Amino acid sequence: DADVTQTPRNRITKTGKRIMLECSQTKGHDRMYWYRQDPGLGLRLIYYSFDVKDINKGEISDGYSVSRQAQAKFSLSLESAIPNQTALYFCATSRRDRPYYEQYFGPGTRLTVT
Amino acid sequence: AQTVTQSQPEMSVQEAETVTLSCTYDTSENNYYLFWYKQPPSRQMILVIRQEAYKQQNATENRFSVNFQKAAKSFSLKISDSQLGDTAMYFCAFMKHGMDSNYQLIWGAGTKLIIKP
Repeated sequence: DADVTQTPRNRITKTGKRIMLECSQTKGHDRMYWYRQDPGLGLRLIYYSFDVKDINKGEISDGYSVSRQAQAKFSLSLESAIPNQTALYFCATSRRDRPYYEQYFGPGTRLTVT
Repeated sequence: AQTVTQSQPEMSVQEAETVTLSCTYDTSENNYYLFWYKQPPSRQMILVIRQEAYKQQNATENRFSVNFQKAAKSFSLKISDSQLGDTAMYFCAFMKHGMDSNYQLIWGAGTKLIIKP
């Protein structure tokens, strides 16, 4: 089945370490998103990409960077992890054409920074 | 900026009962979409139902229906004949539509729904 996958599913890292979260999709979608979920806050957008050469900051991009290596791959990096980046991270994809409003989510990566 | 508010942090009902989850939003936009997503303990985010703002008719998907009140900026979710598998966090979300939209979802904080046997 066409799908959105995220690796790793869980990760514990130490303050100051660099870490990369990876997202791959087989849906053939052009658009990809990274969201962060914190308890009591819902999800917030970190970065989004409408195609390989189009990458944009979301509302909480500070401390994060991304790379769109191919249409199917969108990676999120924490250059120097800090404890308040402990959260659940979701990758999502959507089509360029209708129904462009429908986003498909990966299973999430739970990141703990100690 | 758009905001989404879910005023009920947690609700619980008996199996087979009907439950309504509340959502209000604030926007100056006229064209937008509203969504309800379900997040079970598996943490997978699952789309439950969608409403397009230009449609007056309330969306329905099997046991799930919405009450969309555009003037009041209210978008509640009704779950009929609730089942144990409906136990999950439920999120209301907003998406602006249009040429200047980045199609990001703006999320509420969620309502934890517990269905009791």
